[in-house]
Amino acid sequence: GAVVSQHPSRVICKSGTSVKIECRSLDFQATTMFWYRQFPKQSLMLMATSNEGSKATYEQGVEKDKFLINHASLTLSTLTVTSAHPEDSSFYICSARTGNNYGYTFGSGTRLTVV
Amino acid sequence: GESVGLHLPTLSVQEGDNSIINCAYSNSASDYFIWYKQESGKGPQFIIDIRSNMDKRQGQRVTVLLNKTVKHLSLQIAATQPGDSAVYFCAEKRAAGNKLTFGGGTRVLVKP
Repeated sequence: GAVVSQHPSRVICKSGTSVKIECRSLDFQATTMFWYRQFPKQSLMLMATSNEGSKATYEQGVEKDKFLINHASLTLSTLTVTSAHPEDSSFYICSARTGNNYGYTFGSGTRLTVV
Repeated sequence: GESVGLHLPTLSVQEGDNSIINCAYSNSASDYFIWYKQESGKGPQFIIDIRSNMDKRQGQRVTVLLNKTVKHLSLQIAATQPGDSAVYFCAEKRAAGNKLTFGGGTRVLVKP
């Protein structure tokens, strides 16, 4: 079946630094990937839609200059949290469409802690 | 704004009993619905899906029911097992576009 690999699973960084999270589709090509953020005991909130070869589409209220998304190939999308602050600490999850059958596969998530 | 929502944050169920998790959605333009299971510290795991042209779909121990008249979605888990303990989310996709909107989630606790 379709597998989405997300790395790293956990990361701790200092305030003001940047962190990059990778999302790879291992056995399929993903023209569209999605990035979510999930705070403790809350639901997944879509941050942006990542489109291969074009600019990402951000949801309302998500700062595109703070959350940089790059989708340079059909198997890799990256999310960079720039100038991270403690309030950016969260669980970040990516997903990818797996074709025309409406399938969505999720990565295992990245726990970001900003200290 | 429009959203998919859940009204039962926690469901405690005895092992072996059936579980029913409910979800209300507000967007009549949604054409596809999915139930996900999420264990602590992990990404959502697909359970079962249903398209808007159906009202029922069954999988292994799980059944999804869709009532478009009242915009209601439910997940039934038969013979609930300890391994079913997790948070369950419903998600909807609008006919136009690819985005999924997630409901608030229900935590299922299976008591031995």
